[in-house]
Amino acid sequence: NAGVTQTPKFQVLKTGQSMTLQCAQDMNHNSMYWYRQDPGMGLRLIYYSASEGTTDKGEVPNGYNVSRLNKREFSLRLESAAPSQTCVYFCDSSGQGYEQYFGPGTRLTVT
Amino acid sequence: TQLLEQSPQFLSIQEGENLTVYCNSSSVFSSLQWYRQEPGEGPVLLVTVVTGGEVKKLKRLTFQFGDARKDSSLHITAAQPGDTGLYLCAGGRDDYKLSFGAGTTVTVRA
Repeated sequence: NAGVTQTPKFQVLKTGQSMTLQCAQDMNHNSMYWYRQDPGMGLRLIYYSASEGTTDKGEVPNGYNVSRLNKREFSLRLESAAPSQTCVYFCDSSGQGYEQYFGPGTRLTVT
Repeated sequence: TQLLEQSPQFLSIQEGENLTVYCNSSSVFSSLQWYRQEPGEGPVLLVTVVTGGEVKKLKRLTFQFGDARKDSSLHITAAQPGDTGLYLCAGGRDDYKLSFGAGTTVTVRA
């Protein structure tokens, strides 16, 4: 039981490049989330998926797209990376009640 | 603008001392969660409080939810170096989305 896994752990991109951040959970959870963490700002919700086949925008969706591939996997895509997207990205999943499980994060630098 | 304001932003204390972290908002939440995050890792859920006035204890940690469900506090008794980390509060609403505070960095010196 690995919980929530994220790949890659680190990534450096040049401005304008694209990439996809992968997230998978093995807890059979319905809800999955993508957050970004910037220094001094806590976590801000980018997109979430309440169940397989549905996605909705969060607080800061601009510049990102998501895909809920199946119940296990929720990916985040940056089509044209910008320096403002330099931060740490966390995937989160939750099942019944208030349990939340975060992945270890992807640290992205855009130069 | 943060929906949840945490204070203080930084806290450095000696081992054995007590500390309190505050989380305040003008909004009402259906639940309030506290997390601890260590460098290079994701946040780990410590507790969820859902009832106004609720108090929960987790060993040396005491969590309180305000009567009006707008604020919360985390109190650590006899802090240890292992308590060092970033403490985050997060408010939940009926749509199960969370709003996070900016965090309090706690350092406990041996």
